[in-house]
Amino acid sequence: EPEVTQTPSHQVTQMGQEVILRCVPISNHLYFYWYRQILGQKVEFLVSFYNNEISEKSEIFDDQFSVERPDGSNFTLKIRSTKLEDSAMYFCASNSGYYNEQFFGPGTRLTVL
Amino acid sequence: KNEVEQSPQNLTAQEGEFITINCSYSVGISALHWLQQHPGGGIVSLFMLSSGKKKHGRLIATINIQEKHSSLHITASHPRDSAVYICAVEGMDSNYQLIWGAGTKLIIKP
Repeated sequence: EPEVTQTPSHQVTQMGQEVILRCVPISNHLYFYWYRQILGQKVEFLVSFYNNEISEKSEIFDDQFSVERPDGSNFTLKIRSTKLEDSAMYFCASNSGYYNEQFFGPGTRLTVL
Repeated sequence: KNEVEQSPQNLTAQEGEFITINCSYSVGISALHWLQQHPGGGIVSLFMLSSGKKKHGRLIATINIQEKHSSLHITASHPRDSAVYICAVEGMDSNYQLIWGAGTKLIIKP
């Protein structure tokens, strides 16, 4: 069964460093998302991506964040200069656009020291 | 005010009990999702519904659009049902992105 994959599963970085979180969505899906969940809090929407551009983003998704779909299979989230408060689980999801069901990756746990 | 409210926040029950988790929302929606998050963090979609009722095995989800309310029921609960159950909604005119509730932590004791 097709699934969304994410790498790495856990990333530890120093404050101020750049990180890139990688996702491989399901191959025929058209909509892609990043969500984050700070420990003990609810999941929050970051950004949605469709037709090779951002379709919507939340207030959290400021200039420090960017997304790319560089090669037609990967979908990346870059944080330019990490802050302590960026420590969270980051989930990628994809959606075919036909049935509204979102398929989630296993998440990347980002720890900023 | 949160756009999606769930109750209860925590629920502990004995194996075999009938479980109900409630979700209320304040925005117009195109669909409502119930998801399950396991202790390891992984998220699995259980249901997506925009009207009526859906059943999958021991899980039943209902929605009342007029009252902006949905319920998730688990019949004959089992310890393996222990997880966080999350209600999330798709706003109108959204690209399917989800507005999330805080989740209900369910523990089923043997």
